[in-house]
Amino acid sequence: GESVGLHLPTLSVQEGDNSIINCAYSNSASDYFIWYKQESGKGPQFIIDIRSNMDKRQGQRVTVLLNKTVKHLSLQIAATQPGDSAVYFCAETPNTNAGKSTFGDGTTLTVKP
Amino acid sequence: EPEVTQTPSHQVTQMGQEVILRCVPISNHLYFYWYRQILGQKVEFLVSFYNNEISEKSEIFDDQFSVERPDGSNFTLKIRSTKLEDSAMYFCASRFDRMNTGELFFGEGSRLTVL
Repeated sequence: GESVGLHLPTLSVQEGDNSIINCAYSNSASDYFIWYKQESGKGPQFIIDIRSNMDKRQGQRVTVLLNKTVKHLSLQIAATQPGDSAVYFCAETPNTNAGKSTFGDGTTLTVKP
Repeated sequence: EPEVTQTPSHQVTQMGQEVILRCVPISNHLYFYWYRQILGQKVEFLVSFYNNEISEKSEIFDDQFSVERPDGSNFTLKIRSTKLEDSAMYFCASRFDRMNTGELFFGEGSRLTVL
């Protein structure tokens, strides 16, 4: 199961499928973008980041894509596992205060075994 | 692995009371932040702190809020006279900044319930 294009507040996928979580950001001056994972009862945890001069960055099982033309960010998770179930937030950061992040609406990912 | 620690994990208080939330950032980090998250909503920036002073604050961070780094390890958020709408999860975060990245290391949060 995949979801492309629109931001959805929830996404449910089968274990082993790929997941795509989308995010629209608002500030064209944002310099740096981060995806965070938040498990129930915990603080946000860094997953992967990307600078505004890049359009793609890969990590372990995760890929972030940045489309500055339409101010859109996506997170792809390969071979989704039950441990990936969480709320995922994108965050944009201006170059004036590198730690001041504006978080987007979260997407709750549920992975079905 | 070094982590940001926060206390208390949960505090219940009466409206109008003062609350202090405490954080111990990662020891070699230089920049400190408070964020809050109202139940079911997005994480919101409150304040950033560097070199013993506030570097930026949001509209939420009004006069009833204050932050302090009283010693070399603690970073506190004080809410002077709590309101019902202050009920939220408060997250402390820190970063090192040598690479000017925005990656923040968050604590597990302090849940504040105002009755």
